[in-house]
Amino acid sequence: DIQMTQSPSSVSASVGDRVTITCRASQGISSWLAWYQQKPGKAPKLLIYAASSLQSGVPSRFSGSGSGTDFTLTITSLQPEDFATYYCQQTTSFPRTFGQGTKLEIK
Amino acid sequence: EVQLLESGGGLVQPGGSLRLSCAASGFTFRSYGMSWVRQAPGKGLDWVSKIINTGGTTYYADSVKGRFTISRDNSKNTLYLQMNSLRAEDTAIYYCAKSGPTFSDYYGMDVWGQGTSVTVSS
Repeated sequence: DIQMTQSPSSVSASVGDRVTITCRASQGISSWLAWYQQKPGKAPKLLIYAASSLQSGVPSRFSGSGSGTDFTLTITSLQPEDFATYYCQQTTSFPRTFGQGTKLEIK
Repeated sequence: EVQLLESGGGLVQPGGSLRLSCAASGFTFRSYGMSWVRQAPGKGLDWVSKIINTGGTTYYADSVKGRFTISRDNSKNTLYLQMNSLRAEDTAIYYCAKSGPTFSDYYGMDVWGQGTSVTVSS
């Protein structure tokens, strides 16, 4: 199975800050990576697919990059509604696996 | 409006069975694969299973293989998860999600239901 490791596990930031979350795959996955946002008590929401493609309706302050084993999710100019938990997921092989999550908290 | 609505969750004893349903609307259900993802209380996301658009191929996490069965009825726009031999560690919120049509999930899981809660306890 492909292991996905996110860092950091949690991060504190302020409105207007830029935040970067990293996801590392245990083996190369090309660009087969998705990012999701989850708020408490809600279902996950797709933000990014194919490592860097922005899902329709997602604000452009979200961006993804990387290929192979190392990926990043960047949020520029944090908004109050961005404080949530973020997960990466590899979509190249079964079982699909998620990172453990990164909780973005208000400083 | 594209929508997924899960049902069938509840409290069940260890060793028991439960069948979850996921009713889809607002998109051509038979054209897409469907997945189940679960989340134990206070934990992260855990992929459970996927079924391709035709229903002809299924995939499972090792933790549920042999105990859970994913299926679909394209005439009813409904996805199912039959869960047998349930264990305490299966306690979670179970989400259904719209996925890629076949093996690929290149576009990710772009539509999710609100989830249904399963508690396995005596």
